[in-house]
Amino acid sequence: AQSVTQPDIHITVSEGASLELRCNYSYGATPYLFWYVQSPGQGLQLLLKYFSGDTLVQGIKGFEAEFKRSQSSFNLRKPSVHWSDAAEYFCAVGIIQGAQKLVFGQGTRLTINP
Amino acid sequence: NAGVTQTPKFQVLKTGQSMTLQCAQDMNHNSMYWYRQDPGMGLRLIYYSASEGTTDKGEVPNGYNVSRLNKREFSLRLESAAPSQTSVYFCASRGDRPWEGANVLTFGAGSRLTVL
Repeated sequence: AQSVTQPDIHITVSEGASLELRCNYSYGATPYLFWYVQSPGQGLQLLLKYFSGDTLVQGIKGFEAEFKRSQSSFNLRKPSVHWSDAAEYFCAVGIIQGAQKLVFGQGTRLTINP
Repeated sequence: NAGVTQTPKFQVLKTGQSMTLQCAQDMNHNSMYWYRQDPGMGLRLIYYSASEGTTDKGEVPNGYNVSRLNKREFSLRLESAAPSQTSVYFCASRGDRPWEGANVLTFGAGSRLTVL
């Protein structure tokens, strides 16, 4: 069955440090992959998406992600984090099962130390 | 340009009470979804509607019913609320055409429900 795993429940980094959030998926077909961000008390906002083509995709707020088919991964990166990046991050895979749906990972909560 | 609007934002129920969460989108999207979010479990799909007049079960449909009233509105009903249904509920919609950002879900702000 299709699934998404985010191995890190909580990550703490210092402001200005680099960031990598891990995401692994399980899906038989070519995946549509997404990263969403949720600030406290807010809904989910799309950071970036991968449908096909270049495996390195750029998103909003300086984030990027790399699709690696051989590793079934879609890790999110940012070279230098800002205090405003503190939020919860969700990886998701788009599947077609009757209709198109998103299956989400468990989420990674990011804390930024000043 | 409101996007996806959910009401109410907060609700407290007693066990056994019923209520309906309302969702409306103004983007002319065909597909709409209801998810619940629980700590450590991400978002799980409750029900979805691929088009007006159709609804289908998602991953966790038990205890819920839905109605796709028209193309804009998709409501979620709890007939007899249970403490296990305490959660944050998100409605979302998806466009089908490339210029609508096909395959990308637009989420509402969420409805926090507590069942005592």
